[in-house]
Amino acid sequence: DAKTTQPPSMDCAEGRAANLPCNHSTISGNEYVYWYRQIHSQGPQYIIHGLKNNETNEMASLIITEDRKSSTLILPHATLRDTAVYYCIVRGFISGNTPLVFGKGTRLSVIA
Amino acid sequence: ETGVTQSPTHLIKTRGQQVTLRCSSQSGHNTVSWYQQALGQGPQFIFQYYREEENGRGNFPPRFSGLQFPNYSSELNVNALELDDSALYLCASSFSLGGEQYFGPGTRLTVT
Repeated sequence: DAKTTQPPSMDCAEGRAANLPCNHSTISGNEYVYWYRQIHSQGPQYIIHGLKNNETNEMASLIITEDRKSSTLILPHATLRDTAVYYCIVRGFISGNTPLVFGKGTRLSVIA
Repeated sequence: ETGVTQSPTHLIKTRGQQVTLRCSSQSGHNTVSWYQQALGQGPQFIFQYYREEENGRGNFPPRFSGLQFPNYSSELNVNALELDDSALYLCASSFSLGGEQYFGPGTRLTVT
């Protein structure tokens, strides 16, 4: 079962920042927070991941609380092409089998 | 650098038949994972192959089997198809066992 809780849906105005929350209160010390998104009928796309420090790349920023029990994915200037289902995933980073365990994600709708 | 590719794009089979789905991993990636995504759900882990050996399996029956070849491409075979096997089948490759997984576009299987 997924170890994360996300709101089922969110709306965001085009050009504004989209802030997607995720709760992972049972996360362990060696587990990372991963974010993927899935645009309709396509394969999931990797966005970003982090352990405890905030992370930023060309797509998004990931803010992880100090106690690591929750995080927020930030899309700084959302566009219509960012409309997708966003999955927050907790994943152990050890050698061996570490599959991604997907929940139902958050359906983000970017509105013009 | 080519991404993950899958074939065929769409497939229609009859209950009881067998199907083979194919995946070419991203250049330099030695690990392939397969996922099943039913309509409205997140992807569910089927199994993972690392250097031609199965390296972990989700909660799927033995009629779901796979292969990984020396060039790290992979096949997913499903025997005795059931109606509930209708889904999007996703392949993901990674540079290593714990690395970020990059997904292909998927194969849409319909069982009638």
